[in-house]
Amino acid sequence: DAGVIQSPRHEVTEMGQEVTLRCKPISGHNSLFWYRQTMMRGLELLIYFNNNVPIDDSGMPEDRFSAKMPNASFSTLKIQPSEPRDSAVYFCASSLTGREQYFGPGTRLTVT
Amino acid sequence: SQQGEEDPQALSIQEGENATMNCSYKTSINNLQWYRQNSGRGLVHLILIRSNEREKHSGRLRVTLDTSKKSSSLLITASRAADTASYFCATDIGGGKLIFGQGTELSVKP
Repeated sequence: DAGVIQSPRHEVTEMGQEVTLRCKPISGHNSLFWYRQTMMRGLELLIYFNNNVPIDDSGMPEDRFSAKMPNASFSTLKIQPSEPRDSAVYFCASSLTGREQYFGPGTRLTVT
Repeated sequence: SQQGEEDPQALSIQEGENATMNCSYKTSINNLQWYRQNSGRGLVHLILIRSNEREKHSGRLRVTLDTSKKSSSLLITASRAADTASYFCATDIGGGKLIFGQGTELSVKP
């Protein structure tokens, strides 16, 4: 298995632009998680899905952030409009519910 | 505040020594997990201990869980330079949702 796949690996954009991060979970996993990691705040859970349904989005910072999971093999995290404080590494992870999570390599986002 | 708090924040040891990291949490848990993160990479799952277990081993790793004290420890025996990484505890508070601690940065010097 290829593991969790994220794209792009690096994204540099200007403030105000729309950013879309993509994730392909491990086949057969029914839970998908989006995290953000920064030096100041550590690893934060933004949102997670179970069987493609958003279960808890309490970690989504603002209305500028949105996430979708149209099917079991694809999810997106969108930031519109982006701001410099959104600069971070964004991780996607998948799992079978209640089991260990498998993380992707992350997307390093820089907003200038 | 963070569900999981780790101690120490940073640890530097010589190759061959043992490394112990501690994690405390606040609420009831289904299980507690430890992850490793190498610089610039994603997290990698190391070991999971359920709330009704007290100790678990995996290779050179030993994890203990004390639910009465709401604490866990990760012991890495006979450390190697390749063990240099950040180590995170994560508590499963239900539905598979994990809350991660701030991590312990381990440096193993050859």
